[in-house]
Amino acid sequence: GENVEQHPSTLSVQEGDSAVIKCTYSDSASNYFPWYKQELGKGPQLIIDIRSNVGEKKDQRIAVTLNKTAKHFSLHITETQPEDSAVYFCAASIMGYQKVTFGIGTKLQVIP
Amino acid sequence: EAQVTQNPRYLITVTGKKLTVTCSQNMNHEYMSWYRQDPGLGLRQIYYSMNVEVTDKGDVPEGYKVSRKEKRNFPLILESPSPNQTSLYFCASSHSQGTYGYTFGSGTRLTVV
Repeated sequence: GENVEQHPSTLSVQEGDSAVIKCTYSDSASNYFPWYKQELGKGPQLIIDIRSNVGEKKDQRIAVTLNKTAKHFSLHITETQPEDSAVYFCAASIMGYQKVTFGIGTKLQVIP
Repeated sequence: EAQVTQNPRYLITVTGKKLTVTCSQNMNHEYMSWYRQDPGLGLRQIYYSMNVEVTDKGDVPEGYKVSRKEKRNFPLILESPSPNQTSLYFCASSHSQGTYGYTFGSGTRLTVV
């Protein structure tokens, strides 16, 4: 089955700096890679996703890159703000199938 | 408001006492899924459903049951809860085409003593 590894498990950055979270996956059939943000006491919320036919996707301060050959994808947050502090999860799946595998999460702390 | 509603939010129960956690979505999503979240282990899939009357096991199905009799509802049943099922549970739903990302519920924190 699919295995998703996520690094680092914790990350502290100064406000205004960039943050990068990396994930690797094992199943070359996976073609859909979402990222979720979980704030304290809440359920995860989808913030950005990427499909295997695209190498990069941006949405304001957030970007995701995908390297299919190396089987890794990354989340980039620029100009971090205190409200970016949360736990971030990556995931991998095959579109049209419900089997979704998550990484263990990265706790991001943005220091004002 | 488009949402996934789980009940209850908090539950403390005793070993062996059957319980049901309800999940309902109002977005006409085909896909629904249950996850448990444990420290250091992330989110692990328990069961999922592709549509009404279609369910399948995820990574950690032991000790759980589900049913999908209606499109909007996907209850999680613990027939005989044990302390190792103490966890934070999330229900999630998504479309089967187009946007595949999940909408998650707010979670149910279950403690089995």
